[in-house]
Amino acid sequence: QKEVEQDPGPLSVPEGAIVSLNCTYSNSAFQYFMWYRQYSRKGPELLMYTYSSGNKEDGRFTAQVDKSSKYISLFIRDSQPSDSATYLCPPGAAGNKLTFGGGTRVLVKP
Amino acid sequence: DAGITQSPRHKVTETGTPVTLRCHQTENHRYMYWYRQDPGHGLRLIHYSYGVKDTDKGEVSDGYSVSRSKTEDFLLTLESATSSQTSVYFCAISNRGSGTEAFFGQGTRLTVV
Repeated sequence: QKEVEQDPGPLSVPEGAIVSLNCTYSNSAFQYFMWYRQYSRKGPELLMYTYSSGNKEDGRFTAQVDKSSKYISLFIRDSQPSDSATYLCPPGAAGNKLTFGGGTRVLVKP
Repeated sequence: DAGITQSPRHKVTETGTPVTLRCHQTENHRYMYWYRQDPGHGLRLIHYSYGVKDTDKGEVSDGYSVSRSKTEDFLLTLESATSSQTSVYFCAISNRGSGTEAFFGQGTRLTVV
C-alpha cells in the first residue's frame, strides 16, 4: 500500500467552480499535512501547512484534515484558470522525510 | 523561489559519463534534499543533508552520491549516468527535520542519451 494516495485526474472544472481535492494516507504517525501546487515545468510551491485535524483557511483555499480517517482535503473556491496545476499532498512526521504521491492534475476552463 | 538556485537547468549527457548537479541556497536552511520526478512515480527522495558534511540516503539513492561542504551548496553526482536517470531533478530546503515546509528549486531537466 502506498503511503499517500491521490486520484491522478485530470479534474476538469469550469471557472468559478469549487475544486475539491482529496488524499488518503496509511501511516498514523503522520503529524504534518501540506498542500503543494506545481505548475508544468516548475518546482512545487507550498500552498498550505497544518499539523492538526480540522480546517485551515487561506484566501480561496481551505485545507481539511481528518486524522481519524487519514483523509486530507483541499478546497479551492472561485477557481481561476491560473489554478490549473498539479496538487500534491505530502504528509510528514518528525524524523521522517516528506512522502509525495503522484499528485492530482487540475484543469480550470475559462 | 525562496532563494534556491539549481544549475544547470537543462543538460544532455551521454551514458557512462559523470554528471554533477548543483543546488545553491541563500536562506541558511539546515536541511537540503534532492528529489527526482518521473511520470507515474511522483517525487522520490534521492539523498538529503541535515548539515554540513552530514548526508543520508533516500529511497532511490543507487547510482547517486552527494556532498555538502558548505551550508549553501548541495551537490548531486551521477557517478556513471544511465538512461534510467533521465528525469527532472528538484532540490528542496527546509528548516525542519521532517522536511515540512520545504521550498523547492525550479528543477534540472537531465537527459541521458
